[in-house]
Amino acid sequence: DAKTTQPNSMESNEEEPVHLPCNHSTISGTDYIHWYRQLPSQGPEYVIHGLTSNVNNRMASLAIAEDRKSSTLILHRATLRDAAVYYCILSRGYQKVTFGIGTKLQVIP
Amino acid sequence: GAVVSQHPSRVICKSGTSVKIECRSLDFQATTMFWYRQFPKQSLMLMATSNEGSKATYEQGVEKDKFLINHASLTLSTLTVASAHPEDSSFYICSARDAGTSGGVEQETQYFGPGTRLLVL
Repeated sequence: DAKTTQPNSMESNEEEPVHLPCNHSTISGTDYIHWYRQLPSQGPEYVIHGLTSNVNNRMASLAIAEDRKSSTLILHRATLRDAAVYYCILSRGYQKVTFGIGTKLQVIP
Repeated sequence: GAVVSQHPSRVICKSGTSVKIECRSLDFQATTMFWYRQFPKQSLMLMATSNEGSKATYEQGVEKDKFLINHASLTLSTLTVASAHPEDSSFYICSARDAGTSGGVEQETQYFGPGTRLLVL
């Protein structure tokens, strides 16, 4: 499995933007970058995914480096409901997905 | 986004009993579903991959005779914890894959159920 590296934890003030980094230096050409988040006592929730180009949806933006060895999940205005563990995962075709420890985001009121 | 449900959301049982957990994809068909287990303050650990109409593929260290998986239809997979013991107490999460093709490359997005909290006394 191509692996990802994320900081264990991050803090953000409420209503400020948050940039969650992810390194994936061994990514292959067909690996998609997926982001999920998990709130306490809930299953993971899909956030966004991309291959090469930056992506935007109603939840977040995904910025992918030109060499694809890193990516950044951007929450434009953090709210208290965004406090969660964020997982950056590489997904290739029909291969199984492995979760790392993710980044625990704390949002400060 | 696609919706996956799990039932029950919480179960408490006595040691030695069997527990069945259902996972359903509500608005899409899933030829493949996954079962994960998560202990407190840890990440999700993949237990097995469930393919519709065939035997499940178990990860190393997961006992297939203890964690019985059935995937009889494109929208339903079940996990049965046989003769549960206190060490099986955990948060069990299923996911279903919604596959598609973009730019000529097959890619998958997994959608997760809300999880089932199992407590074995």
